[in-house]
Amino acid sequence: RKEVEQDPGPFNVPEGATVAFNCTYSNSASQSFFWYRQDCRKEPKLLMSVYSSGNEDGRFTAQLNRASQYISLLIRDSKLSDSATYLCVVLPAYGGSQGNLIFGKGTKLSVKP
Amino acid sequence: DAGVTQSPTHLIKTRGQQVTLRCSPISGHKSVSWYQQVLGQGPQFIFQYYEKEERGRGNFPDRFSARQFPNYSSELNVNALLLGDSALYLCASSRGLSDTQYFGPGTRLTVL
Repeated sequence: RKEVEQDPGPFNVPEGATVAFNCTYSNSASQSFFWYRQDCRKEPKLLMSVYSSGNEDGRFTAQLNRASQYISLLIRDSKLSDSATYLCVVLPAYGGSQGNLIFGKGTKLSVKP
Repeated sequence: DAGVTQSPTHLIKTRGQQVTLRCSPISGHKSVSWYQQVLGQGPQFIFQYYEKEERGRGNFPDRFSARQFPNYSSELNVNALLLGDSALYLCASSRGLSDTQYFGPGTRLTVL
């Protein structure tokens, strides 16, 4: 089983749609969780951290379920500018490299007019 | 403030050659990590350095090496290049070992 698994998509949605991405991770001792966004041929950029209590940043909502080892990202009222690849990222527990971010393959989102 | 910078932006090498990639972290950041991203995959961890010491290493062969300088900049070296080393090499900096990592624009390496 891969350490971080995501549906690769692509997700093709119209402007204004609500879209949800899911991610599962295998290491139950993982300590921190993130969503990064990566535009074509660019570097990943931090979109938001993910907390057990859930967190929201404008149109974006992230949720973490530690019991199910499941992370989600919800994007409401999609904009054309949301088109990108969304990377689910996990920071493992102490014991290994503390900076070793583990990335999923990414889910590609394409928002159409 | 300037973000993470990397040089060169693009590089073309042939099999068997050696390459050195450079990274300057955000001012005040003491940790630098290196990642390899091949097409269609997420970035894969290569090394992390903190205060000039290697603090983590991913599953890469000994052909890959790195170091960090007193000013916290870093170099990644790859010897005996293979076609499969063609990828985007990303550098990320953070204040400490487990703090948020910010990525540079990457160096795109093509091995012919």
